[in-house]
Amino acid sequence: DAKTTQPNSMESNEEEPVHLPCNHSTISGTDYIHWYRQLPSQGPEYVIHGLTSNVNNRMASLAIAEDRKSSTLILHRATLRDAAVYYCILRRGSNYKLTFGKGTLLTVNP
Amino acid sequence: EAGVTQFPSHSVIEKGQTVTLRCDPISGHDNLYWYRRVMGKEIKFLLHFVKESKQDESGMPNNRFLAERTGGTYSTLKVQPAELEDSGVYFCASSHSGLGSPLHFGNGTRLTVT
Repeated sequence: DAKTTQPNSMESNEEEPVHLPCNHSTISGTDYIHWYRQLPSQGPEYVIHGLTSNVNNRMASLAIAEDRKSSTLILHRATLRDAAVYYCILRRGSNYKLTFGKGTLLTVNP
Repeated sequence: EAGVTQFPSHSVIEKGQTVTLRCDPISGHDNLYWYRRVMGKEIKFLLHFVKESKQDESGMPNNRFLAERTGGTYSTLKVQPAELEDSGVYFCASSHSGLGSPLHFGNGTRLTVT
C-alpha cells in the first residue's frame, strides 16, 4: 500500500477552520484518498473520500492537489466534538481493506 | 439505520482462557472486517469477509484466532487460548460492495488478558 505522511498533531480554536494536510507522493492512479477520524473511546468514523476532484459533504471538504501527491481535509468550523485522531488513508480501487497509520491528533481549544 | 454493534464492550480473561467476540454488521452489508489495536500501536487489519467467505485473512496473527461468519450475517472472533499480547481493542466494520464504499466501524471490544 502507498504511504501517507501526516503531522503528528495540530491545534485549532473552536469555530475556526482547520486544514489537515496529508502527503502521498507515491500515490497510484487507482488509489482513492480516504479520511477517517477516531474520537476517544469510539471506533473509526468515515469522514470523506475522493479520487481526483475536490469533494464536499456535510462533515468536511477534501481538497486534492492537481498532481494528487497531497490532499487537505478541511473542517470549516471546528467544534469541540471534532477533537480526534484524523487518518489519511490511500485505498486501492480493487482493495477493500484500509491501512491505518498514526494519523494527526487534532486538539480543539474552546 | 442501526450501526455496527459489538459484544461485549469489555472482556477481562486470564491467560489460557477462551474468549469469543461478536459483531453484528449493518443490515445488507456484504463486507465485514475485523481490525485490532494493541497498546501503543496502530490499528491493524485482521481479516475481511464477503458474505460468509473469507476474502482476505492476511492479518490474522496466528492459529489461535478463528473468525467465522455463518450465514453471512453476524461474525464471531474467537481467541483460544488467549495470550497476554492479545490484549487490545478489537474493531469490527462493515461496508456495501462497490469501489470506495466507506467502512462503518463499531465501538470495539476492549480485551484484557491477565
